[in-house]
Amino acid sequence: GQQVMQIPQYQHVQEGEDFTTYCNSSTTLSNIQWYKQRPGGHPVFLIQLVKSGEVKKQKRLTFQFGEAKKNSSLHITATQTTDVGTYFCAGRGNAGNMLTFGGGTRLMVKP
Amino acid sequence: DGGITQSPKYLFRKEGQNVTLSCEQNLNHDAMYWYRQDPGQGLRLIYYSQIVNDFQKGDIAEGYSVSREKKESFPLTVTSAQKNPTAFYLCASSVRDRFNSPLHFGNGTRLTVT
Repeated sequence: GQQVMQIPQYQHVQEGEDFTTYCNSSTTLSNIQWYKQRPGGHPVFLIQLVKSGEVKKQKRLTFQFGEAKKNSSLHITATQTTDVGTYFCAGRGNAGNMLTFGGGTRLMVKP
Repeated sequence: DGGITQSPKYLFRKEGQNVTLSCEQNLNHDAMYWYRQDPGQGLRLIYYSQIVNDFQKGDIAEGYSVSREKKESFPLTVTSAQKNPTAFYLCASSVRDRFNSPLHFGNGTRLTVT
């Protein structure tokens, strides 16, 4: 079945440093979604990427979808303490099956 | 405000007892889902429903059961057959699954079975 791997599992950064999490699928994806879960909270949808090579930005966050539609990344520029949380990618295969979530990357930011 | 309500937030049960987790949405969404989250792990799909009176097993359905008698409601029963029921359970909904719509999550129910 479809597998989605996410690295790193944890990341500690100093406030102001950049952060990147990577998502890799075992199969080609029709689209990929990113979610953020604050400590003690629930996942909140951030963005969806659909096209090969697509890049989208939300303020300090940059999302990329690979050319082969098998990988994706989320980059945060100049992290802030409000960025703390776990970031999940979730991919959907071409067969229209359910979303498969990656294991998440937990970001911790030292002020 | 529209949203998804899960209750209760915390639930404690003795081993061998069935327990039902509530999920109600007023977003008028067709599709609803149940996910399980274990510490430090991603979300695993238990069951999903794309329309009233229909539901499908997800990746880890064993030991769980659901019903979808109303569009707004998708309760999950954790049965005594579930070997490791202690977890954080998240309910979600979406407009229509096949059209790539994002998931809207409830606040979750943290179940502890001792």
